[in-house]
Amino acid sequence: GENVEQHPSTLSVQEGDSAVIKCTYSDSASNYFPWYKQELGKGPQLIIDIRSNVGEKKDQRIAVTLNKTAKHFSLHITETQPEDSAVYFCAASNTGFQKLVFGTGTRLLVSP
Amino acid sequence: EAQVTQNPRYLITVTGKKLTVTCSQNMNHEYMSWYRQDPGLGLRQIYYSMNVEVTDKGDVPEGYKVSRKEKRNFPLILESPSPNQTSLYFCASSKGTAVGYGYTFGSGTRLTVV
Repeated sequence: GENVEQHPSTLSVQEGDSAVIKCTYSDSASNYFPWYKQELGKGPQLIIDIRSNVGEKKDQRIAVTLNKTAKHFSLHITETQPEDSAVYFCAASNTGFQKLVFGTGTRLLVSP
Repeated sequence: EAQVTQNPRYLITVTGKKLTVTCSQNMNHEYMSWYRQDPGLGLRQIYYSMNVEVTDKGDVPEGYKVSRKEKRNFPLILESPSPNQTSLYFCASSKGTAVGYGYTFGSGTRLTVV
C-alpha cells in the first residue's frame, strides 16, 4: 500500500521567513495530494491540494509543488506569520481522497 | 454553520466496555471517514463510507465497527475496547472527489482506555 514520509518533524522560522515541508510517497499510482493544517485542539483543515496532472499550485502565501518522477511534493509558505504556527500534514491517495494516507506531520513554529 | 460534530470530546473507559463515538454532519456530504491520530504516526484511516449502507475498511480497522444508516451520521463502535485503542479520533466528511473539496474534520474525541 501507499506510504508517505514527511520531513522535517519540526521546523522553526522567524516571522517573514519562508518555510518548506517535504513529503515523499511510494505508490506511483497516487494522483491526489492535499495538505492539512492542524491548530492546537482542533481537527485538521484543508489548506491546499493538487492532482498529479498539475506540477504546481499557488494560493496567496502558500504553494505546493509536485515532482511525479521523483515521487515527492512540497509545501511552501512565504512571508510566514505567527498564526502559521501549527502542525502540517501531507497526504496522498490513488483512489480519490476517501482513502487518504497521511504523513506523520510537521510542527511549524513561527517566532515574532 | 457547516460542521462535523463528534461526541463526546473526551472519554475515559475501562477495558472491554462497549462504547460508541457519534459523528454527524450537516452539509449533506456523501463521503465520511474515521481517523485515529497517534504521536509520531500521523493520522491513520479506520473506516470510510462513500454513501448510505456503503462502508469499507481503512488501514487500521481491527477492533472497530461502523454503520451508515443515514447520510448525516457515521458512528464509530468499539465493541471491546483495549488500551491500545487509546488515541485521538477524528470523523471527517466530504462533498465529492474534485480538487478543493477535501475532508472537513470534526474537533476530535480523545479516548482513554484503562
